Amino acid sequence: EAQVTQNPRYLITVTGKKLTVTCSQNMNHEYMSWYRQDPGLGLRQIYYSMNVEVTDKGDVPEGYKVSRKEKRNFPLILESPSPNQTSLYFCASSLSPMATYEQYFGPGTRLTVT
Amino acid sequence: KNQVEQSPQSLIILEGKNCTLQCNYTVSPFSNLRWYKQDTGRGPVSLTIMTFSENTKSNGRYTATLDADTKQSSLHITASQLSDSASYICVVSAGTYKYIFGTGTRLKVLA
Repeated sequence: EAQVTQNPRYLITVTGKKLTVTCSQNMNHEYMSWYRQDPGLGLRQIYYSMNVEVTDKGDVPEGYKVSRKEKRNFPLILESPSPNQTSLYFCASSLSPMATYEQYFGPGTRLTVT
Repeated sequence: KNQVEQSPQSLIILEGKNCTLQCNYTVSPFSNLRWYKQDTGRGPVSLTIMTFSENTKSNGRYTATLDADTKQSSLHITASQLSDSASYICVVSAGTYKYIFGTGTRLKVLA
């Protein structure tokens, strides 16, 4: 089944403790992206990747890192999480970001930083 | 500043009725406009994708329109069902790699 998977689905952590949220897709997609969703703000793009070893900042990259060493995986790293990074995170992938290609979203990771 | 605004914020309708959701955008450059359906706690699912040259696109009971001159789009839902209860999000692609999301319209369909 074609899908985007994220792990963990739920995570509660403390300020400053490094964490990684994994994202994997099995559709051989070139484009992958991370978003965060907060009440009243909609989804905002954190980072995106056009292909292996090619990444760029979205609108809210501060406090996050990403890497794209393999085509299928695009982990999101929080080196020193803070409470303002408490949010619902979505990973998405697309064959290409060009006009008519659909973007597929993962199930989401709900992160709470205390 | 690139912005996507949706109205209304929330809407309640009776099962079987039609409804129309609105999306206004100020995004440049414009590449395409997408409508997504998002069930609570789940990832968005694509309904329609329209490029600059497309005026209308349908997906079952969902019909999206786009007026690139006025920078407005609408999503019309026909003969609503209880399963249509969800948030509907308008997304505009600003160039190739960036997406600007609206805050969504929360629709509730009552039996």
